[in-house]
Amino acid sequence: DQQVKQNSPSLSVQEGRISILNCDYTNSMFDYFLWYKKYPAEGPTFLISISSIKDKNEDGRFTVFLNKSAKHLSLHIVPSQPGDSAVYFCAASDFTGANSKLTFGKGITLSVRP
Amino acid sequence: GAGVSQSPSNKVTEKGKDVELRCDPISGHTALYWYRQSLGQGLEFLIYFQGNSAPDKSGLPSDRFSAERTGGSVSTLTIQRTQQEDSAVYLCASSSRLSGRGFSNYGYTFGSGTRLTVV
Repeated sequence: DQQVKQNSPSLSVQEGRISILNCDYTNSMFDYFLWYKKYPAEGPTFLISISSIKDKNEDGRFTVFLNKSAKHLSLHIVPSQPGDSAVYFCAASDFTGANSKLTFGKGITLSVRP
Repeated sequence: GAGVSQSPSNKVTEKGKDVELRCDPISGHTALYWYRQSLGQGLEFLIYFQGNSAPDKSGLPSDRFSAERTGGSVSTLTIQRTQQEDSAVYLCASSSRLSGRGFSNYGYTFGSGTRLTVV
């Protein structure tokens, strides 16, 4: 039972254009959401996060949007750069749990073409 | 150490053999997590440690899987009688807080993983 869904396995965009990576979740208890980036043979690294009390969080070229009513979030990267090519994981958790376990989606492979 | 260290980085084993995977968390991190990523799948939660105890083992796929943590530091994930479906990248993460509250990144730092191949 996938509680965090990344339905598009891959995305290819031209350098300089916007990349939009989507994520849906089913657990209404989730109240904190994160995006991780993973290069081959490396562990995932934190990119950006958002609390459920907000609908937008921006950090440089990266912006995460949250639509709680739709249980949907998206990561926007603009402008996209070749170095952004990686696998992006959406993750979610709820603060009610004592162990702060993160639930991850399957990931989206982003390719940015020069 | 400066980061989360996992060993070995790669392991090829024969079906039916036992394997041990090691995770050395960031010094002082009290929480430790094991995840695995099978081909085409997301990161699947296996087990969580707070100190030396494991309050959440719900992700362990079968009783062939076990994990321990000693001295509130190093953790070992053991897979007995390995099967081909156990082939995956096993990732360890550590965190300095019981809860992610107060940390924008939830405090998670991942290691580079152990790629396990069962032949």
